Amino acid sequence: DTGVSQDPRHKITKRGQNVTFRCDPISEHNRLYWYRQTLGQGPEFLTYFQNEAQLEKSRLLSDRFSAERPKGSFSTLEIQRTEQGDSAMYLCASSLEQLAKTDTQYFGPGTRLTVL
Amino acid sequence: SQQGEEDPQALSIQEGENATMNCSYKTSINNLQWYRQNSGRGLVHLILIRSNEREKHSGRLRVTLDTSKKSSSLLITASRAADTASYFCATDAFGNAGKSTFGDGTTLTVKP
Repeated sequence: DTGVSQDPRHKITKRGQNVTFRCDPISEHNRLYWYRQTLGQGPEFLTYFQNEAQLEKSRLLSDRFSAERPKGSFSTLEIQRTEQGDSAMYLCASSLEQLAKTDTQYFGPGTRLTVL
Repeated sequence: SQQGEEDPQALSIQEGENATMNCSYKTSINNLQWYRQNSGRGLVHLILIRSNEREKHSGRLRVTLDTSKKSSSLLITASRAADTASYFCATDAFGNAGKSTFGDGTTLTVKP
């Protein structure tokens, strides 16, 4: 299966701990997105990369959040000093952008974070 | 804030009936996409419709786009119990470089 994969699928942590999530996009996709989704709501944009460059960050992304895509392939999202309000599903998506025309975003299965 | 708003929030129908969900948005868009999400899982892409298109079909799915009204609809014909899921529209606003803005979805229940 060459879809978007995310690891881990579930993470339970105690408040104040740091967590890191990984996303592996579809291999030829140059764009990678992170979204957060809470129960009963749609996904909210957090940040996106074009190759290895992080081009936009949402105001939702506090300074406790950092994302990287060092070689333009996989990406990591780190949350430092987690808070209970960080509990959510973290979704990664990838797409292929060519000639300023963006194609479909394909989503991974998500990482469900629970902060106790 | 969410740009897309789905209507209704919840829809319950019998198997075999058609289901129609609507999405309204606020700003000019490059394209609009519909996704399905089963409980607790990731999003599955259904259809992408570009701003210069008015209608697209995929199997039992039909999507329309009216840019003058800033609205879209998703029609699922001959629904099945397996269509039970939440459905989201996502808009890629003009100048927003492909990031999608989602509504809060329509929860569809198809009763066998």
